[in-house]
Amino acid sequence: ETGVTQTPRHLVMGMTNKKSLKCEQHLGHNAMYWYKQSAKKPLELMFVYSLEERVENNSVPSRFSPECPNSSHLFLHLHTLQPEDSALYLCASSLGDEQFFGPGTRLTVL
Amino acid sequence: SQKIEQNSEALNIQEGKTATLTCNYTNYSPAYLQWYRQDPGRGPVFLLLIRENEKEKRKERLKVTFDTTLKQSLFHITASQPADSATYLCALDRFKAAGNKLTFGGGTRVLVKP
Repeated sequence: ETGVTQTPRHLVMGMTNKKSLKCEQHLGHNAMYWYKQSAKKPLELMFVYSLEERVENNSVPSRFSPECPNSSHLFLHLHTLQPEDSALYLCASSLGDEQFFGPGTRLTVL
Repeated sequence: SQKIEQNSEALNIQEGKTATLTCNYTNYSPAYLQWYRQDPGRGPVFLLLIRENEKEKRKERLKVTFDTTLKQSLFHITASQPADSATYLCALDRFKAAGNKLTFGGGTRVLVKP
């Protein structure tokens, strides 16, 4: 275990639903990340928070809304998603150069 | 455009042999390159980092080389074991002071047969 936890591990939602993904780390890291991993595609960086301030938004659609209330918690709020948003969503954290990943949330949008 | 390429074909190798994976990139000038291991259904796990001024790095049975002229990194698993079977990802930084912004390659799957 890397010390980064994510909940839920699996999520099925309709296109009109609103849901949130949660990520938590108590490693003392000061940066947190959201990545999307689709089948047959490389990991895509979505958002970066450093010291609770968003420092990267990689042209992600507004139906994905991140929130970082403190250095230990990161959320990804989802609303009116599309079927092509189905993927593994990974959270990571770092203090130095290496990143520690959580196990991911497998999201299916019907 | 910026590109990171890893061999998308799976690498099948006999136990005990050395597995060699390549990571090629274009239009990057990374300060460092990282290698991660990912097992099915799990998040990537950090293995090694090599900086632009380093030619080679080792960790137990793993060895990484970095050639900034060729824009290539090689990742070697020596004396491979079935437990080494996984997908291996390379990642380059777009380093800024606030957060390390990594761009990942597509990964190469390694299957070590007993």
